[in-house]
Amino acid sequence: SQTIHQWPATLVQPVGSPLSLECTVEGTSNPNLYWYRQAAGRGLQLLFYSVGIGQISSEVPQNLSASRPQDRQFILSSKKLLLSDSGFYLCAWSLPGMDEQYFGPGTRLTVT
Amino acid sequence: QQQVKQSPQSLIVQKGGIPIINCAYENTAFDYFPWYQQFPGKGPALLIAIRPDVSEKKEGRFTISFNKSAKQFSLHIMDSQPGDSATYFCAARSGNNRKLIWGLGTSLAVNP
Repeated sequence: SQTIHQWPATLVQPVGSPLSLECTVEGTSNPNLYWYRQAAGRGLQLLFYSVGIGQISSEVPQNLSASRPQDRQFILSSKKLLLSDSGFYLCAWSLPGMDEQYFGPGTRLTVT
Repeated sequence: QQQVKQSPQSLIVQKGGIPIINCAYENTAFDYFPWYQQFPGKGPALLIAIRPDVSEKKEGRFTISFNKSAKQFSLHIMDSQPGDSATYFCAARSGNNRKLIWGLGTSLAVNP
């Protein structure tokens, strides 16, 4: 069966510091991968999605970037965090050509 | 512009009641409508999904009703339990675009 991991689970970072969040999927090959952000009490905002290694589509221009160095690894990064980057970051995967998206446990990021 | 409008924002029912959460959409190209359940601090979990070729789908105590002409779909939870207390999100996706469009969520509380 497939499993999705995210780490760290929680992170507190000062403004201006770099960021690296990691997501990995086990038990499947060539998944579609997604990064979402969820602000407190709000819905989900799609940030990036990827259909393959090195293929990244950005949905919202902002202070963040994504990379997919390996088939089942998706990384969310920032060079300098802003206060507005605080939120709950969720990674999700889906099988190519399939509709269902499955989410990881999330990373709670607080920028101070 | 919110393409999927979800209501109510919050809902309180007694144990055994049938909470109903509604979503409306405008884009007639949408062809996949999932519902997700999210507990505090966790990632959303796919609950049930429907396509426009059926008007109703049941999985356990959860039922989706779909009204294509009205461009509305709703989630019913039969015999609700305190353990159903969570935030519920509807979403929609068109066949030409793999991205899910999300509602803003409904916070459900089921009192014992």
